[in-house]
Amino acid sequence: GAGVSQSPSNKVTEKGKDVELRCDPISGHTALYWYRQSLGQGLEFLIYFQGNSAPDKSGLPSDRFSAERTGGSVSTLTIQRTQQEDSAVYLCASSRRPDRGRETQYFGPGTRLLVL
Amino acid sequence: QKEVEQNSGPLSVPEGAIASLNCTYSDRGSQSFFWYRQYSGKSPELIMSIYSNGDKEDGRFTAQLNKASQYVSLLIRDSQPSDSATYLCAVNFPPGNTPLVFGKGTRLSVIA
Repeated sequence: GAGVSQSPSNKVTEKGKDVELRCDPISGHTALYWYRQSLGQGLEFLIYFQGNSAPDKSGLPSDRFSAERTGGSVSTLTIQRTQQEDSAVYLCASSRRPDRGRETQYFGPGTRLLVL
Repeated sequence: QKEVEQNSGPLSVPEGAIASLNCTYSDRGSQSFFWYRQYSGKSPELIMSIYSNGDKEDGRFTAQLNKASQYVSLLIRDSQPSDSATYLCAVNFPPGNTPLVFGKGTRLSVIA
């Protein structure tokens, strides 16, 4: 079946502009995650959606970052007034409803964001 | 504090040898552990999951878990150059229904 898809695959923007990154999770997966990975670094958790529950926004680095998930499926991560330090690969992952924490996350190909 | 620690490497092993990747975590109550492989420029892909103490084998890969020592490892037998990648350890911390916490990864280089 289809995996997690993300768009665009690459995005170049100018400092100060807003960007929107899209994630389509695997069909039937109720949990969706956004991560950021800077060059040569580990995964930085940003935000987590689980079903209809309030999202866990504890990883968002500033109020310039926001995300929404419409209809329990597609998610959009928005970065307002982009800064050069926002340049990174933004990865989306999805998993079935976590059951006793035995969740396997499946990752999308990522969006490579470059802020000039 | 939820922490997952890995040696960043690079870990270099000759082709055909056993590569041993280690990971420690901060909460003894953690129940679920995962190893992901990430090739350069690609997204992480799941290799193995382990939930119980002991060994779990899948082909050339063996995951080992010791909850008392808060330690999980991944062994790769008969290492191949195609195994060269960064290996990420991920842990599900209590209460369980929370995002995984990832280590920064160990870079493995298998030398032909």
